[in-house]
Amino acid sequence: EAQVTQNPRYLITVTGKKLTVTCSQNMNHEYMSWYRQDPGLGLRQIYYSMNVEVTDKGDVPEGYKVSRKEKRNFPLILESPSPNQTSLYFCASSLLASGRPGTQYFGPGTRLLVL
Amino acid sequence: AQSVSQHNHHVILSEAASLELGCNYSYGGTVNLFWYVQYPGQHLQLLLKYFSGDPLVKGIKGFEAEFIKSKFSFNLRKPSVQWSDTAEYFCAVNGLSGGSYIPTFGRGTSLIVHP
Repeated sequence: EAQVTQNPRYLITVTGKKLTVTCSQNMNHEYMSWYRQDPGLGLRQIYYSMNVEVTDKGDVPEGYKVSRKEKRNFPLILESPSPNQTSLYFCASSLLASGRPGTQYFGPGTRLLVL
Repeated sequence: AQSVSQHNHHVILSEAASLELGCNYSYGGTVNLFWYVQYPGQHLQLLLKYFSGDPLVKGIKGFEAEFIKSKFSFNLRKPSVQWSDTAEYFCAVNGLSGGSYIPTFGRGTSLIVHP
């Protein structure tokens, strides 16, 4: 089954404790991206990747890191989480067509609470 | 920078009522347009998309959207909503921004359909 998986689905942590949220897709998609969803703000892109070893900042990259060492995986790293990073996080992937991401396929989401 | 505006943040309808959700974007070049839906507790999934051709696009579950280039709009419509359409709806645009194609999402419209 074609899918995007994320782990963990729920996470409670404390300020400053490094964490990683994993994302994996089995559709051989070139493009992968991370979003955060906050009430009233919709989805905002954190980072994206056009291919292996190619990553770039989205609209709200501060406090986050990513890596793309393999095509299928795109982990999101919070080196020193803060309470304002409490949010619902979605990973997504898509094919590229003429350099543009097409339909995005979303993971189930990771709900993060930073105390 | 491109932006996407969804005019209705909250919509409440009775079953069988007609629905129209507004979406306007600010970008002058070629765009790809999407509507995604997020059912309660679920991840986002594609409702419909426009890349080129007929500006009236039909999607799943009886939804359609019309791309009006002169108005920079891509409004979503359904002639008769059902209780199961209760969800959050997001309009999204892919356009060239700063040398890359960054998908930009609107803030979302929460639709509640009363049985």
